[in-house]
Amino acid sequence: QSVLTQPPSASGTPGQRITMSCAGSNSNIGSNTVSWYLQLPGTAPKLLMYNDHQRPSGVPDRFSGSRSGTSASLAISGLQSEDEADYYCATWDDSLKGYVFGAGTTVTVL
Amino acid sequence: EVQLVESGGDLAQAGGSLRLSCVASGFPFSIHDMNWVRQAPGRGLEWVSYISVTGSSIYYADSVRGRFTVSRDNDKNSLYLQINSLRAEDTATYYCARDNLSWDVWGKGTTVTVSS
Repeated sequence: QSVLTQPPSASGTPGQRITMSCAGSNSNIGSNTVSWYLQLPGTAPKLLMYNDHQRPSGVPDRFSGSRSGTSASLAISGLQSEDEADYYCATWDDSLKGYVFGAGTTVTVL
Repeated sequence: EVQLVESGGDLAQAGGSLRLSCVASGFPFSIHDMNWVRQAPGRGLEWVSYISVTGSSIYYADSVRGRFTVSRDNDKNSLYLQINSLRAEDTATYYCARDNLSWDVWGKGTTVTVSS
């Protein structure tokens, strides 16, 4: 059971906009910034978003992030086939004194 | 090129020990906090441990505290994870990741398989 709750799956057609959520509590998302990671099958995770909404260089602006209260969300606009991957949210938890992940959302492009 | 390369993963017996290593290159290792993250087969990511630049601050996930020990040698640009009392549930790919307010650089991982 992950501390952060993510929907197990999300899907859309090419060009569509999809969003995925990451729900936590006051001790984690409510107090700390969230980062998002993308993982393609058989590869290491890659940083997609940090500080809630900032994109590392090289990440297209089709990806956007936000945080409000004890939840965060990641949106993908102009969905492309190469966006098919697992997406994980993560943050620090003040009570657990450790980092916590969501269980991941698998994105499928129909 | 900024790079992290893990090694030390192996097939080991339950109750045994392993030492994982992570060598950094292409960036000043000594000024970055570091982490270990693992992923069991077919499962999601699980944070394992954090170590600050000097090693003065160390944190562990509850699932590994007391059995895992993280350390670093800044002169050798290396991060380590000593794993003792191996359990079947430790079977996973172990990644080291640079901490830059997020994990912005990851290694390719090293695989630990625990047999009973």
